[in-house]
Amino acid sequence: EADIYQTPRYLVIGTGKKITLECSQTMGHDKMYWYQQDPGMELHLIHYSYGVNSTEKGDLSSESTVSRIRTEHFPLTLESARPSHTSQYLCASSAGFNYGYTFGSGTRLTVV
Amino acid sequence: GENVEQHPSTLSVQEGDSAVIKCTYSDSASNYFPWYKQELGKGPQLIIDIRSNVGEKKDQRIAVTLNKTAKHFSLHITETQPEDSAVYFCAAPLTGGGNKLTFGTGTQLKVEL
Repeated sequence: EADIYQTPRYLVIGTGKKITLECSQTMGHDKMYWYQQDPGMELHLIHYSYGVNSTEKGDLSSESTVSRIRTEHFPLTLESARPSHTSQYLCASSAGFNYGYTFGSGTRLTVV
Repeated sequence: GENVEQHPSTLSVQEGDSAVIKCTYSDSASNYFPWYKQELGKGPQLIIDIRSNVGEKKDQRIAVTLNKTAKHFSLHITETQPEDSAVYFCAAPLTGGGNKLTFGTGTQLKVEL
């Protein structure tokens, strides 16, 4: 049973719209991550957080922003969506160092 | 930073055969190596992991082996079944970078009847 939830699962929006992808976990994990997954399968880290009020940019440059006001919630926002933002976005959380990640089911975003 | 190479990128086996996927890593300080399975339309799921104090770990039909000297680790699936068809990712931690994992590029495994 998944303890990390992403909504929506699928989203089709027009260029220029502002969107927020939701991610929530019920495991009390401090560490949370956002990955972008391209059609070639590779996972690219775009944001991460080690706890409340902590956010950092990942290895792949992204125009998105994140916030971490509550431990369980790590939303990702795109202020002005573009077709280049079309991708699968995966959220994950972890109990600590050298522990595996628990991934959500992902949000497949299409910007038209 | 950590670099993780994964091979092969695609693997096709007959049902009942074994499948092996290999990964190499660059950071000799890495000490945790998970494997993930991603089915179509789902997020990656942790299927097995190994820490550097052991050389092998098994869980039913899957096993992971670790060679710290050579800096490589492998996933072994025996008696493959159609439901094993998925994308598999290896990963290793970026030491000094918190709990950030660096993922391999993925292996598309297809088990044919």
